[in-house]
Amino acid sequence: DAGVIQSPRHEVTEMGQEVTLRCKPISGHDYLFWYRQTMMRGLELLIYFNNNVPIDDSGMPEDRFSAKMPNASFSTLKIQPSEPRDSAVYFCASSPLGGHFYEQYFGPGTRLTVT
Amino acid sequence: KNQVEQSPQSLIILEGKNCTLQCNYTVSPFSNLRWYKQDTGRGPVSLTIMTFSENTKSNGRYTATLDADTKQSSLHITASQLSDSASYICVVSAKSNAGNNRKLIWGLGTSLAVNP
Repeated sequence: DAGVIQSPRHEVTEMGQEVTLRCKPISGHDYLFWYRQTMMRGLELLIYFNNNVPIDDSGMPEDRFSAKMPNASFSTLKIQPSEPRDSAVYFCASSPLGGHFYEQYFGPGTRLTVT
Repeated sequence: KNQVEQSPQSLIILEGKNCTLQCNYTVSPFSNLRWYKQDTGRGPVSLTIMTFSENTKSNGRYTATLDADTKQSSLHITASQLSDSASYICVVSAKSNAGNNRKLIWGLGTSLAVNP
């Protein structure tokens, strides 16, 4: 299996621009998670899906952030408009089950820089 | 407030030496505790997961311990190798109100550098 695939790996954009991050989870995994990682705050869960349905989006920082999962093999995280404080590494992870015995498999991340 | 604190923040050791990383948590109700390894520029990879009833668990040269009474965990690395250089993150799972254990509280990690 190729693992969780994320694109792009790096994104540099100007403040005010729209940014779209993409994720392909591991085939057969029912759960998909979006995280943001910064030095100051570590890893923060933004939103997660179960069978393509958003379950908990309480971590989404504000209305500028939105996430979709149109099918079992694809998800997007969109920031519109982007701000310099959104600069971080964004990870997508997937899990075969949501129970506490099952681990999450992370993608390589997208490093976002907003100037 | 649910929190996970790790120490030290960073550590430098020589190749072949042992080291121990600490994790203290104030998560309640506790479900399980995991240690992840994150190489530079990559996503975290799970090393171990322990439930309330487990005191220790090993994964090769990595051994994790859990004291649920004191709410402490440690990750011991034996005979360190250069490839152990990474960030090690402690993650504690809290039981959610719905009982499906979806709340994860992440520590900030310990950055380990193994020098030749």
